[in-house]
Amino acid sequence: GAVVSQHPSWVICKSGTSVKIECRSLDFQATTMFWYRQFPKQSLMLMATSNEGSKATYEQGVEKDKFLINHASLTLSTLTVTSAHPEDSSFYICSASPGTSGFNEQFFGPGTRLTVL
Amino acid sequence: GQNIDQPTEMTATEGAIVQINCTYQTSGFNGLFWYQQHAGEAPTFLSYNVLDGLEEKGRFSSFLSRSKGYSYLLLKELQMKDSASYLCAVVDSNYQLIWGAGTKLIIKP
Repeated sequence: GAVVSQHPSWVICKSGTSVKIECRSLDFQATTMFWYRQFPKQSLMLMATSNEGSKATYEQGVEKDKFLINHASLTLSTLTVTSAHPEDSSFYICSASPGTSGFNEQFFGPGTRLTVL
Repeated sequence: GQNIDQPTEMTATEGAIVQINCTYQTSGFNGLFWYQQHAGEAPTFLSYNVLDGLEEKGRFSSFLSRSKGYSYLLLKELQMKDSASYLCAVVDSNYQLIWGAGTKLIIKP
């Protein structure tokens, strides 16, 4: 149990375009979903925490207007990278938790590798 | 500030034992996770410790000392597939996960 999927697995786009990444919890209801970014050879960097039906909480330094997060249902959260630039190229990973905080085990999606040309 | 320290990289031999240490200084403590992450993949859960002591799960064991702000992950009978990064993460007083930078473990035949 506790499977989280992400789509797409990888995406290549031109600079200036927007990219939407979906994160789904397949067999449980995810009260909380987390979005991470990971640059090569670095650890996970939490971007934002979203609770179903409310606005996401962004970490310091993460532009909320650039990284739009929508958590419309208990099984789906989306991250939209608007006007992507080459420096946004990274590995984006979502995780889902049945609880309301990071205290509960987080189940990770397989990640989405974004390359912006 | 909050800080989690892990060695950047370790090398071990197939069949041997390796211990990966993690020290932390956080605002409060509500548990410590260890995750395994293979290159290009998302992390997978290994263990969760909230009380002092050793928790054994097959070839992997995790130890916690809250008074010392210290944990280690012990991997026995190493296999080539254990080559991965191992991430230590602490749950702070706000129940948020604070992540270490990870330890890259290289297994040699």
